[in-house]
Amino acid sequence: EPEVTQTPSHQVTQMGQEVILRCVPISNHLYFYWYRQILGQKVEFLVSFYNNEISEKSEIFDDQFSVERPDGSNFTLKIRSTKLEDSAMYFCASSERTAGQPQHFGDGTRLSIL
Amino acid sequence: GENVEQHPSTLSVQEGDSAVIKCTYSDSASNYFPWYKQELGKRPQLIIDIRSNVGEKKDQRIAVTLNKTAKHFSLHITETQPEDSAVYFCAAPRGRSGGSNYKLTFGKGTLLTVNP
Repeated sequence: EPEVTQTPSHQVTQMGQEVILRCVPISNHLYFYWYRQILGQKVEFLVSFYNNEISEKSEIFDDQFSVERPDGSNFTLKIRSTKLEDSAMYFCASSERTAGQPQHFGDGTRLSIL
Repeated sequence: GENVEQHPSTLSVQEGDSAVIKCTYSDSASNYFPWYKQELGKRPQLIIDIRSNVGEKKDQRIAVTLNKTAKHFSLHITETQPEDSAVYFCAAPRGRSGGSNYKLTFGKGTLLTVNP
């Protein structure tokens, strides 16, 4: 069964540094998402992406965040200047179409900011 | 925006018993309701979903019911097994007005423990 893959599985970074989290969505999927989950809490939406542009973003997704689809397979989340509160699990998800379609999640990247 | 409430936050059952987790949502335009199972340190895994044109859907020991009038939906697990122990999240989607993409708003999760 096709899966969403994410790298790295764990990223440790000093506060203020830039990080890039990488995702390879399922190949025939057109809609891509980033979510985050702070330890012990619920999954929170960050951003959705379709047709090479952001469709929607949450209030969490401020100017420090950006997303990109640099080629036909990768989908990246960049945090420009990390803060302690950015420490969380970041999940990438993709769906084949939009409304009423299942979103499939990757295994996540655990981001630890020191 | 969508608001999703989930109850209970923890649920402990004996192996073989049934478990029921309930969620309510606020946006009457929501039309798709997935349930995810998340084991410790792992991805949310879609286990069942329902669309608003049906009231119930079953997949072996798992079922989901939807009451659109009351804006609530429930997950039912029968004949629970220890491997069902995990955190279960309900979710509801809502795109921005006129938008074509749908984010998922998750409930806070239910920690289900099945005791052998």
